[in-house]
Amino acid sequence: DVVMTQSPLSLPVTLGQPASISCRSSQSLVSSDGNTYLNWFQQRPGQSPRRLIYRVSNRDSGVPDRFSGSGSGTDFTLEISRVEAEDVGVYYCMQGTHLYTFGQGTKLEIK
Amino acid sequence: QLQLVESGGGVVQPGRSLRLSCAASGFTFSSYDMHWVRQAPGKGLEWVAGIWFDGSNKNYVDSVKGRFTISRDNSKNTLYLQMNSLRAEDTAVYYCARDFAAAAYFDYWGQGTLVTVSS
Repeated sequence: DVVMTQSPLSLPVTLGQPASISCRSSQSLVSSDGNTYLNWFQQRPGQSPRRLIYRVSNRDSGVPDRFSGSGSGTDFTLEISRVEAEDVGVYYCMQGTHLYTFGQGTKLEIK
Repeated sequence: QLQLVESGGGVVQPGRSLRLSCAASGFTFSSYDMHWVRQAPGKGLEWVAGIWFDGSNKNYVDSVKGRFTISRDNSKNTLYLQMNSLRAEDTAVYYCARDFAAAAYFDYWGQGTLVTVSS
């Protein structure tokens, strides 16, 4: 089974400052079709998860451009260029190459 | 607009059964794969089960194999999760989520339904 490891698990950030979340997989997420199925989700308090990024770096419609995804193989990163108050919540990476596995989640809070 | 609405949650005793439903609208349900994802209280997300658009392929997380069955009725635009032999550790909010062509979309999620397994 593929294990997804996120760090840090807690991320206090000052408003307007950047934030970065790492996600590492226990095996390569490059699929036999050449795609890498790595998504990022945001879950605000009391809400359902919302997809932000799909296939490593593709931003969903309506997602602010301060969110970006990067990485390859087993190492991936979600970056927020300037954190805003509405970004508070838990962020999850998820792989969909070998069935489906979520990371443990990273709780972003305002310092 | 596109909607996924889960129902069927509640309080159930250990060892009993429950069936969850997810009613879809606003898109061509029969063209999309679907999944169930759960979240135990205060915990992270866990994928539970997935089914292809035509019902021909199903997958499960190891912890529910042999106890849970995912199914769908494309004529009713509804996804189901039959949960048997429920355990305390199955207590969670259960979400349905949409996928497409086995590409791990998970682009739309329902609001979730809470299942509590307790005596």
